[in-house]
Amino acid sequence: AQTVTQSQPEMSVQEAETVTLSCTYDTSESDYYLFWYKQPPSRQMILVIRQEAYKQQNATENRFSVNFQKAAKSFSLKISDSQLGDAAMYFCASVGGATNKLIFGTGTLLAVQP
Amino acid sequence: KAGVTQTPRYLIKTRGQQVTLSCSPISGHRSVSWYQQTPGQGLQFLFEYFSETQRNKGNFPGRFSGRQFSNSRSEMNVSTLELGDSALYLCASSRGHAEEKLFFGSGTQLSVL
Repeated sequence: AQTVTQSQPEMSVQEAETVTLSCTYDTSESDYYLFWYKQPPSRQMILVIRQEAYKQQNATENRFSVNFQKAAKSFSLKISDSQLGDAAMYFCASVGGATNKLIFGTGTLLAVQP
Repeated sequence: KAGVTQTPRYLIKTRGQQVTLSCSPISGHRSVSWYQQTPGQGLQFLFEYFSETQRNKGNFPGRFSGRQFSNSRSEMNVSTLELGDSALYLCASSRGHAEEKLFFGSGTQLSVL
């Protein structure tokens, strides 16, 4: 069974500063993928970044990067130069095996202070 | 390219009734997944359809069912509604491979009174 844990229910960051959101996971699959999704007030889930577990290199998408520690089963998201539009709920998720079933964490609500 | 469309956006029902939610995936996507989002339970996987066949199922009672049509559009049905079924129901589409990005709709907010 897969589980995803986000231990920070809420976080706050000043505009232009850097913030890191934590995520740990557990899976028995040898082949799996990890994701960070953002859910703004519009409710539509938007993919922020994706990491293939077999790749050692950390994924990066513009101001968003991850710190993937496979042995520790940790997958944190770093947001650099935070912007007001980054304010949203952020969900960590995993998928593995032959299934397309995403397992989500409980989410971290990020506030960006001007 | 049009995104994932879910209808209706909002729905109010009473206990015991049944409801049908609709999801139109992105053109060319053959996989449609459904998720339930509640404040208490978070995001939970309901089921996934691929080429008109249910490929995966979550841990929900048989009152929750779905289907997919030949044009990949999907419907989700909940019978004998209970208060606890009040939730945001999200639909997501993809070409069908686990490593792919899912494209989500804006959801249907169901309130059961």
